[in-house]
Amino acid sequence: AQSVAQPEDQVNVAEGNPLTVKCTYSVSGNPYLFWYVQYPNRGLQFLLKYITGDNLVKGSYGFEAEFNKSQTSFHLKKPSALVSDSALYFCAVRDVLSGGYNKLIFGAGTRLAVHP
Amino acid sequence: NAGVTQTPKFRVLKTGQSMTLLCAQDMNHEYMYWYRQDPGMGLRLIHYSVGEGTTAKGEVPDGYNVSRLKKQNFLLGLESAAPSQTSVYFCASTQGEKQFFGPGTRLTVL
Repeated sequence: AQSVAQPEDQVNVAEGNPLTVKCTYSVSGNPYLFWYVQYPNRGLQFLLKYITGDNLVKGSYGFEAEFNKSQTSFHLKKPSALVSDSALYFCAVRDVLSGGYNKLIFGAGTRLAVHP
Repeated sequence: NAGVTQTPKFRVLKTGQSMTLLCAQDMNHEYMYWYRQDPGMGLRLIHYSVGEGTTAKGEVPDGYNVSRLKKQNFLLGLESAAPSQTSVYFCASTQGEKQFFGPGTRLTVL
């Protein structure tokens, strides 16, 4: 079965410093991987996805993610954190439902706190 | 475009009461989903629909029913609410590989 793991409940970083939010995956076949962000009292918003091609994927709000097949990881990164980046971040992997339809399997989430 | 909307935003129920959560999307998406979000557990799929008139069970369907009578609407029903159903419920619809989420409904069952 497909799964993702986010090993950190919370990540703290100072504004202006680089940030990394970790995600590892376990899949059979080629992985389709995603990052979503949830701001307080809001629904999830799509940040970026990896399906195939370049291992470094660029997304919204200056975020990027690095796909590493040998380490089965898909870490989210940003070169310079902003206080407004403080939110809950979810890694997800695509799974296939019966009938061939797609669904997402989400990690438990990592809370990012950026301090001024 | 309003995107994905959910009503109500908040609700408090007593054990045994019933209610329906409404999800609407104006993007003409075929696929729609209901998730619940609980602390430390991410989002778990309750039910989903791949088109008007079709529904199917997700990971945690027990205690919930759904209907998709119109393409733009996906209803989630709780026939007899239990405290274990206290959660935040999110609806989503899909275009390609990207899911669009509603703002959520915070449900408390006493």
